[in-house]
Amino acid sequence: GPKVLQIPSHQIIDMGQMVTLNCDPVSNHLYFYWYKQILGQQMEFLVNFYNGKVMEKSKLFKDQFSVERPDGSYFTLKIQPTALEDSAVYFCASSFSANTEVFFGKGTRLTVV
Amino acid sequence: GQQVQQSPASLVLQEGENAELQCNFSTSLNSMQWFYQRPGGSLVSLFYNPSGTKQSGRLTSTTVIKERRSSLHISSSQTTDSGTYLCAMERNSGTYQRFGTGTKLQVVP
Repeated sequence: GPKVLQIPSHQIIDMGQMVTLNCDPVSNHLYFYWYKQILGQQMEFLVNFYNGKVMEKSKLFKDQFSVERPDGSYFTLKIQPTALEDSAVYFCASSFSANTEVFFGKGTRLTVV
Repeated sequence: GQQVQQSPASLVLQEGENAELQCNFSTSLNSMQWFYQRPGGSLVSLFYNPSGTKQSGRLTSTTVIKERRSSLHISSSQTTDSGTYLCAMERNSGTYQRFGTGTKLQVVP
């Protein structure tokens, strides 16, 4: 089936540094999402993105977070600066339109030390 | 409050037994999906099931929109079914999926 690719699968970064998580969504999809899951906890929505703009973001989407998809390339989540509590698995997802099946990547495990 | 309630929170089965996992929603929904999360964390989409019944092998999903619930039936469980099962819903006029807290399933030989 359609695949969402996330790069890298693991990332270890020093607190205070910047990190960019990359997502290659399904090719004809128009809606993009980031979710955060702390180990052993619930999957939480961070942000969605359509037509070059953020549609909706949760309280977890702090000011240090930003998303973009320049010129149809990777959909990225940037955290600058990182904090210890940002350690989690970040899942990217995409869908063709609203209220249709959403496809998830395998996640990027981010460890902030 | 929690808009997506899953039950049971955890379940232990003997191999070969059947299981019924439940997902209840506190708001009207437009669509829902069932996922399997491997012990390593990656997600596998099992069903996109906004309404009605869908079957795939030993798995059956039934969503009743007006009753705001969905179920996942696993028949003849196998040890490889062990993991966490998540349901997620997109509510009316929503723009993203909300996840439940999951059912952790362990199938023992």
